[in-house]
Amino acid sequence: ETGVTQSPTHLIKTRGQQVTLRCSSQSGHNTVSWYQQALGQGPQFIFQYYREEENGRGNFPPRFSGLQFPNYSSELNVNALELDDSALYLCASSLDRGDEKLFFGSGTQLSVL
Amino acid sequence: DAKTTQPTSMDCAEGRAANLPCNHSTISGNEYVYWYRQIHSQGPQYIIHGLKNNETNEMASLIITEDRKSSTLILPHATLRDTAVYYCIVRVGKGRRALTFGSGTRLQVQP
Repeated sequence: ETGVTQSPTHLIKTRGQQVTLRCSSQSGHNTVSWYQQALGQGPQFIFQYYREEENGRGNFPPRFSGLQFPNYSSELNVNALELDDSALYLCASSLDRGDEKLFFGSGTQLSVL
Repeated sequence: DAKTTQPTSMDCAEGRAANLPCNHSTISGNEYVYWYRQIHSQGPQYIIHGLKNNETNEMASLIITEDRKSSTLILPHATLRDTAVYYCIVRVGKGRRALTFGSGTRLQVQP
């Protein structure tokens, strides 16, 4: 158990819809990162939030957006869902930005039909 | 970040040592080697990291060659619960860059 919780665990959406995924970080951690993991591949970095500000972004379009709240929990929002957005979405928290150790949640499995 | 190369899959007998290799021939002097693993249906789990000295913790040992172009993760007494995908990642320590995961090595521990 890492102390990082994600909700929901599974979600089914249709193409064009919008989705919000949630993450509660480990106590004392001020940084949250989001990753997308397609079937059979390694996780790919989406973005990181540090103290409520975006602190780095991977190669994902603007329809992927996020928020971090004062309690350091976080949301990932995806607009205009596409079939290729079907993946496992992982949230990871760390003590500070750039910290070596990330603590991952078990992810949200998103299926887009 | 330097690119890493790992075997796609490996088998290991339960109770024996599992030695997982990683090649990172383009590693820079300020880049660390990290290992994470991902057990089925879970998020990745941090195992160990190092710069140039060998490292050991309660989970594993990390052996880095003197030229730092390759490393080996050693699980001294593999159990069935060690069956997972193991990722070798190279990154500047304490940097702001994200972890770049490759495809990893799928380790199957056999009873």
